[in-house]
Amino acid sequence: EVQLLQSGGGLLQPGGSLRLSCVASGFIFSDWAMSWVRQSPGKGLEWVATISNTGDSTYFADSVKGRFTISRDNSKNTLYMELSNLRAEDTAMYFCAKDITPTGWRTQFDYWGQGTQVTVAS
Amino acid sequence: EVVLTQSPATLSLSPGERVTLSCRASQNVYSNYLAWYRQKPGQAPRLLIFGASYRAPDTPDRFSGSGSGTHFTLTINRLEPEDFAVYYCHQYGGPPPEATFGQGTRVEI
Repeated sequence: EVQLLQSGGGLLQPGGSLRLSCVASGFIFSDWAMSWVRQSPGKGLEWVATISNTGDSTYFADSVKGRFTISRDNSKNTLYMELSNLRAEDTAMYFCAKDITPTGWRTQFDYWGQGTQVTVAS
Repeated sequence: EVVLTQSPATLSLSPGERVTLSCRASQNVYSNYLAWYRQKPGQAPRLLIFGASYRAPDTPDRFSGSGSGTHFTLTINRLEPEDFAVYYCHQYGGPPPEATFGQGTRVEI
């Protein structure tokens, strides 16, 4: 059974930093790209970042470029996202998601984590 | 950027009814790379349909997707209680930064 178990998140002040984690099981983690998608309160879904299966390629939404980083440790089946210089508009539920290609290109998300809340407020 | 517009925003229906949701793209979706997700309250989205018309594993056959180019639909035959949720379309026809989601359609009792 595929599982994506997320941790991290919390309440931070503007300008703060945070690391989200997503531990995968039930599939060969190193075969697939992974992504982060967020959902602001009462809003729709927004793609945030993608990392290829090897970690060699990363992609970011313009809204987070330069502030967020995505990484993975295939030996630990774990996906990470470092969030820095946080803004109020980064307040959202953050989901990790499994891609169905190794590159992250042209892929839907076939499995999702349970989500972790990030709240940025002073 | 491919903008996806879903309609209607909200639908009020009863269990057992049939419903068709619409997703229109501002430009052609490459190779009909369009997916549909269902999101129940407090849960993560779940993939239902990919490639416009292919059911994901474990998707009940009451769900069907169709369409091409700029207009896509999701039809649910015989609404079950768990189908009262929000549905999102998602186009993924390019590199990751070009993927976009629709704003969602809420199906409520």
